[in-house]
Amino acid sequence: AQSVTQLDSQVPVFEEAPVELRCNYSSSVSVYLFWYVQYPNQGLQLLLKYLSGSTLVESINGFEAEFNKSQTSFHLRKPSVHISDTAEYFCAVSALQTGTASKLTFGTGTRLQVTL
Amino acid sequence: KAGVTQTPRYLIKTRGQQVTLSCSPISGHRSVSWYQQTPGQGLQFLFEYFSETQRNKGNFPGRFSGRQFSNSRSEMNVSTLELGDSALYLCASSLEGGGEQYFGPGTRLTVT
Repeated sequence: AQSVTQLDSQVPVFEEAPVELRCNYSSSVSVYLFWYVQYPNQGLQLLLKYLSGSTLVESINGFEAEFNKSQTSFHLRKPSVHISDTAEYFCAVSALQTGTASKLTFGTGTRLQVTL
Repeated sequence: KAGVTQTPRYLIKTRGQQVTLSCSPISGHRSVSWYQQTPGQGLQFLFEYFSETQRNKGNFPGRFSGRQFSNSRSEMNVSTLELGDSALYLCASSLEGGGEQYFGPGTRLTVT
């Protein structure tokens, strides 16, 4: 079984400041890793994914995350946040096993609040 | 391509009733998964359908069921509704079940 820990339930930050949202996972098998973002009254939008290859993955809107296998982490970072980044961010994992890779296990979410 | 669509978006039901939610995946996607989101329990996996067969199941009671049609559209049914079933129900689709999943806007179910 997999589990995900997002230690920070809320992260307040000023606009244009850098931010890091932490994610640690536990799994006895190899995993896929994801970050999803949820805006109020909406579904989840895929922000980043790590499936294989380079451990540093980037999104089109300036977010990046680095897969660290030894520390079982997949922290999300952005060097300069914008007001529009205010949302709930979820880290998720799925097992790298045929037939079970569809089951996403989510963390409890981190509320990013960007203010002027 | 059109994204994942879910109907209805909002639903109010009474305890003891049953409800059916619908999900249309992205064209070409064969796997559909359902998740329940509540403030207390967060996001929890309900089940996954692939090629009209339930392939994975989460830890929910038998009152929660689903099915998938030959065009990959999926429905989820909850019978004998309880107050605790009030939640946002999210549907997600993917090509084959592994890798990334794409979510719909959700159906907000309120049980009174």
